[in-house]
Amino acid sequence: SAVISQKPSRDICQRGTSLTIQCQVDSQVTMMFWYRQQPGQSLTLIATANQGSEATYESGFVIDKFPISRPNLTFSTLTVSNMSPEDSSIYLCSVEDRLLQYFGPGTRLTVT
Amino acid sequence: DAKTTQPPSMDCAEGRAANLPCNHSTISGNEYVYWYRQIHSQGPQYIIHGLKNNETNEMASLIITEDRKSSTLILPHATLRDTAVYYCIVSRLNQAGTALIFGKGTTLSVSS
Repeated sequence: SAVISQKPSRDICQRGTSLTIQCQVDSQVTMMFWYRQQPGQSLTLIATANQGSEATYESGFVIDKFPISRPNLTFSTLTVSNMSPEDSSIYLCSVEDRLLQYFGPGTRLTVT
Repeated sequence: DAKTTQPPSMDCAEGRAANLPCNHSTISGNEYVYWYRQIHSQGPQYIIHGLKNNETNEMASLIITEDRKSSTLILPHATLRDTAVYYCIVSRLNQAGTALIFGKGTTLSVSS
């Protein structure tokens, strides 16, 4: 199975600033996904990132707030822009590998 | 929206079998049933999946009813480390770009 790492593992940020989260996979994958998990809630899909094309965002998520890069088949970044306390969540990267989905350990973000 | 219904919580004694039910009455013919679990503050972990036949691996067994409208995940000998939120998901991961959509899951508490 694919092994996924994320950086940073956690961060505390001030409102109005931006944070870029990195996701690295140990093998080449076509599809990568970004999820958000708000405190006490389930996972919500933010966007799908296919290498070489623009990310596809789910309803309620926009590129200006959550820009995503996918420069190659093993790496992606998610930026949380102009943060507010409501953005405090765990952000998870996921990949599809041989028809299964695998998840990174998550980035715990606290916005003060 | 998630297409499954699960009880919000269940308890199980250590060493006993944990049977977690899931209803997916609107499942279509080409959708699989996937089970993931999320141990506190970690990324979701794949457990097992199936289409219509019962499946077993080193972690669990999956029993799917003949009409495919419900399924049961069985952890044969639950341990304290099996305490987690368990998600039942129906999806067509064989369709490129299809991401898993999570419902609220079942919180399983295993006690000694």
